[in-house]
Amino acid sequence: DGGITQSPKYLFRKEGQNVTLSCEQNLNHDAMYWYRQDPGQGLRLIYYSQIVNDFQKGDIAEGYSVSREKKESFPLTVTSAQKNPTAFYLCASRWADRERGNTEAFFGQGTRLTVV
Amino acid sequence: QKEVEQNSGPLSVPEGAIASLNCTYSDRGSQSFFWYRQYSGKSPELIMFIYSNGDKEDGRFTAQLNKASQYVSLLIRDSQPSDSATYLCAVSADGGSQGNLIFGKGTKLSVKP
Repeated sequence: DGGITQSPKYLFRKEGQNVTLSCEQNLNHDAMYWYRQDPGQGLRLIYYSQIVNDFQKGDIAEGYSVSREKKESFPLTVTSAQKNPTAFYLCASRWADRERGNTEAFFGQGTRLTVV
Repeated sequence: QKEVEQNSGPLSVPEGAIASLNCTYSDRGSQSFFWYRQYSGKSPELIMFIYSNGDKEDGRFTAQLNKASQYVSLLIRDSQPSDSATYLCAVSADGGSQGNLIFGKGTKLSVKP
């Protein structure tokens, strides 16, 4: 089955720790995205990548880092510099342009990160 | 800053009525427009996408796009309690370095039996 997989589903982080959230897709999509969602809020863009070895900052990139070494994978690291990391993190992927197909984004099931 | 604006609601409609959800966007270069439904604690799922001006119908859902007014809407006919969720509008300029996908904050819809 084609899809996008996030892991873990729940993650607990101690103060001062870096943690990495995994996102893998087998849809052959070019573009991948990371969003943060706080309770009762919409999705805010952290980082996105249109192509391997290239990524762009979104609106709230401070305290986060990403890599795109493979087309299928786009891990997000939440660093100790992110002062309020407790949130629901969503990864998405889609074709970069409509010539490849409809450009709707498909989402993983999300990772709920809590600072303890 | 590219923005997508939605009324946060809650929008309350009786069962069987038409629910109308609205969205405006700031980037005139936007080419693709999406409506997602999100149940509490779950990830968003696609309801509709629209690329061209006018209406697009899919079952009980109709998306309407007016690029001149930078406005996109979603109509839900014969609303059901199961339609109660948060509806997210998303906008994108496709291709190249313009490929960021921006979401509005969502409108919470409540359908009363």
